[in-house]
Amino acid sequence: NAGVTQTPKFQVLKTGQSMTLQCAQDMNHNSMYWYRQDPGMGLRLIYYSASEGTTDKGEVPNGYNVSRLNKREFSLRLESAAPSQTSVYFCASSAGAIEKLFFGSGTQLSVL
Amino acid sequence: SQKIEQNSEALNIQEGKTATLTCNYTNYSPAYLQWYRQDPGRGPVFLLLIRENEKEKRKERLKVTFDTTLKQSLFHITASQPADSATYLCALALTTNSGYALNFGKGTSLLVTP
Repeated sequence: NAGVTQTPKFQVLKTGQSMTLQCAQDMNHNSMYWYRQDPGMGLRLIYYSASEGTTDKGEVPNGYNVSRLNKREFSLRLESAAPSQTSVYFCASSAGAIEKLFFGSGTQLSVL
Repeated sequence: SQKIEQNSEALNIQEGKTATLTCNYTNYSPAYLQWYRQDPGRGPVFLLLIRENEKEKRKERLKVTFDTTLKQSLFHITASQPADSATYLCALALTTNSGYALNFGKGTSLLVTP
């Protein structure tokens, strides 16, 4: 059982480049989330999707966009990458709003 | 503003002892609280969920308490082992436009030495 799959695992971008982080879950979960994790800052919520067709901003949404493509997939897009977006990005999913989260293995992104 | 505070200093304990980690929160009225474990280079893994009407919850060597008056949760690992060494995160639900989303504390690093 794959759980939550994130691609790519590592990425290096130049300032101003764009890219999309992909996330897919095979647990038929309704809710999906994107977090970033920085040293000393902990996990911070970027965007989430409570159910297919809905998305909402989290704590740090600026510079990001998301798409809930279908129930399985939730992508995170950086339109114009900035060095401040260097971080480890985690996708997660849950069956419902108060259920436990299942996390992917993360994407380490460096913006030069 | 809403805050979740966990001890930023690493907790070092000897194998076999009980480790106790603290999670304090302000400006939340959480219906439930969750604890996760995170190993280096990995995503967090769910450990326990405790609801506001539950004072205590246990799972094997793990015990969580939840005091909504003190606005505090304590996470205990009894008979700790070196394999318990990791970072432990607490998380609270934030009410949003479309329901709830989890906010996490910064985590406390636990090191269990033989």
